[in-house]
Amino acid sequence: GAVVSQHPSWVICKSGTSVKIECRSLDFQATTMFWYRQFPKQSLMLMATSNEGSKATYEQGVEKDKFLINHASLTLSTLTVTSAHPEDSSFYICSARDRESEKLFFGSGTQLSVL
Amino acid sequence: DAKTTQPPSMDCAEGRAANLPCNHSTISGNEYVYWYRQIHSQGPQYIIHGLKNNETNEMASLIITEDRKSSTLILPHATLRDTAVYYCIVIGGYQKVTFGTGTKLQVIP
Repeated sequence: GAVVSQHPSWVICKSGTSVKIECRSLDFQATTMFWYRQFPKQSLMLMATSNEGSKATYEQGVEKDKFLINHASLTLSTLTVTSAHPEDSSFYICSARDRESEKLFFGSGTQLSVL
Repeated sequence: DAKTTQPPSMDCAEGRAANLPCNHSTISGNEYVYWYRQIHSQGPQYIIHGLKNNETNEMASLIITEDRKSSTLILPHATLRDTAVYYCIVIGGYQKVTFGTGTKLQVIP
């Protein structure tokens, strides 16, 4: 089946540093990728929609300068949390839509802890 | 602005069928109904999807009402490993994909 690889699976960083999370579709081309954030015992909250070759569309309340998204190719999107602070600690999940089947597949998530 | 509503929690005895309902009364003609499940600290796992016909695969069956305003995911013989949060979402075209609160299914031995 289709696989979305998300890396790293967990990261601990100091406050003020930046963290990059990668999301790759391994065996399909993804025209659209979505980035979500999830707090404990809550549902996934959409942060932004990323289309290959164009600027990401951010949801209301999500700072685009804080959460930089780059979708440079049909198989790779990255989320960079800039100048991370403890309140940015969360579980981040990406998903990719298969260009042919239009199915949506999810990465395994990244647990970010900012000290 | 989730497009689906689900009961917050359900219990099911091990070995019995688990029937998880979902309402999507505002679904559009080109939108599919997708089901995913999430086990703690993992990404959502694809289960099944459909447009208007009932669907079955090795994991589950999906029953969609004729008016498409609701659907039911059926796990025919629930096991303890099926304990998870189940999300029903609608996806169409290139619209953004948002999640509702899902149903926490607890399979009881």
